[in-house]
Amino acid sequence: GAGVSQSPSNKVTEKGKDVELRCDPISGHTALYWYRQSLGQGLEFLIYFQGNSAPDKSGLPSDRFSAERTGGSVSTLTIQRTQQEDSAVYLCATGMPNEKLFFGSGTQLSVL
Amino acid sequence: EDQVTQSPEALRLQEGESSSLNCSYTVSGLRGLFWYRQDPGKGPEFLFTLYSAGEEKEKERLKATLTKKESFLHITAPKPEDSATYLCAVREYGNKLVFGAGTILRVKS
Repeated sequence: GAGVSQSPSNKVTEKGKDVELRCDPISGHTALYWYRQSLGQGLEFLIYFQGNSAPDKSGLPSDRFSAERTGGSVSTLTIQRTQQEDSAVYLCATGMPNEKLFFGSGTQLSVL
Repeated sequence: EDQVTQSPEALRLQEGESSSLNCSYTVSGLRGLFWYRQDPGKGPEFLFTLYSAGEEKEKERLKATLTKKESFLHITAPKPEDSATYLCAVREYGNKLVFGAGTILRVKS
């Protein structure tokens, strides 16, 4: 596609439910990142993929958070047993290694 | 641990009033400093990458400069459409980009 695509754009869920967020990268981009942005805050690194491998997952806040990438393309970020503090915009970015990143528009997650 | 600090947190300018945004950083081995622009409800949009002290890059009314400890984003004669949040990020060894909290710029006509 022309850009990084994230879905859904908005997700409202109840506390305790699981959610899955999807990222479709720009074709050919091998590096894929997930970031979290809380209201009025900067971007918080969550996890980095190179191909299907995740050499840096140091930013995942807890074991309720997991991510996978298949076929070196689509990635899903899963949050289990959501909590209110998980409410934020989740941003995906892709690129070639050591080059600039292209961001999607994000998924706004609201946990009630 | 990497530290990226941006100042000011917010800046209000009149149209045509030039100013600068600051990004100070502490990394053990800089492998790139990045400037992004973010509009409300959208993901960050790439502006510049700087790699070594003394390097400068320009795009329209924006000019980015880099020293060993900080970067400046100079805005010359800004227009209302330059209003956005400007984010600075650094990459050291490895591939993680560490972002600052951003500067919210408002330009009034």
